[in-house]
Amino acid sequence: GAVVSQHPSWVICKSGTSVKIECRSLDFQATTMFWYRQFPKKSLMLMATSNEGSKATYEQGVEKDKFLINHASLTLSTLTVTSAHPEDSSFYICSALLSGSSYEQYFGPGTRLTVT
Amino acid sequence: QQQVKQSPQSLIVQKGGISIINCAYENTAFDYFPWYQQFPGKGPALLIAIRPDVSEKKEGRFTISFNKSAKQFSLHIMDSQPGDSATYFCAAARDSWGKLQFGAGTQVVVTP
Repeated sequence: GAVVSQHPSWVICKSGTSVKIECRSLDFQATTMFWYRQFPKKSLMLMATSNEGSKATYEQGVEKDKFLINHASLTLSTLTVTSAHPEDSSFYICSALLSGSSYEQYFGPGTRLTVT
Repeated sequence: QQQVKQSPQSLIVQKGGISIINCAYENTAFDYFPWYQQFPGKGPALLIAIRPDVSEKKEGRFTISFNKSAKQFSLHIMDSQPGDSATYFCAAARDSWGKLQFGAGTQVVVTP
């Protein structure tokens, strides 16, 4: 149980285009999801907290207009990288919060974005 | 500014040996301390987590030791296996539903 999926697993896009990444909780409902960014051999950096039905909360230094987050349902959150540039190339990981006795975060497998 | 400091950066251990990774924190409001295992190209997976009301928690070959007064916690991997070769991250949060502050990560290599 507590499986989180991401789609696509990898994507290559041209500079200036937008790309959408989906994060789904497959067997549980998640009112809260988190989006992280990870550079090679580095730690996870929290980008934003996504709450179902409300606006996302972004961490300091993360551009809201560039990284659009939508959490339209209890099982789906999307991250759209708008007008992507090569410096946006990274590994993007989401996590979903399993509500209950333990409130654990379960992570998706990640999406590798390469902007050419 | 990293709120959770993790060491060592990398670790090589022989099969059957013990891997020990250490983390330290400053924020006394933290009360949830999980450890994650990450393989290349994959997302992190929760290994084991502890709260400050206990000093040790064991699950299989993985043990967390927690020292509240020193604000330190560590992960011990007993009888290390080549399949344990991965990057391990410690983290801390105010609650299990709070924002996680990750350590820098430790790359563990278990040699046959």
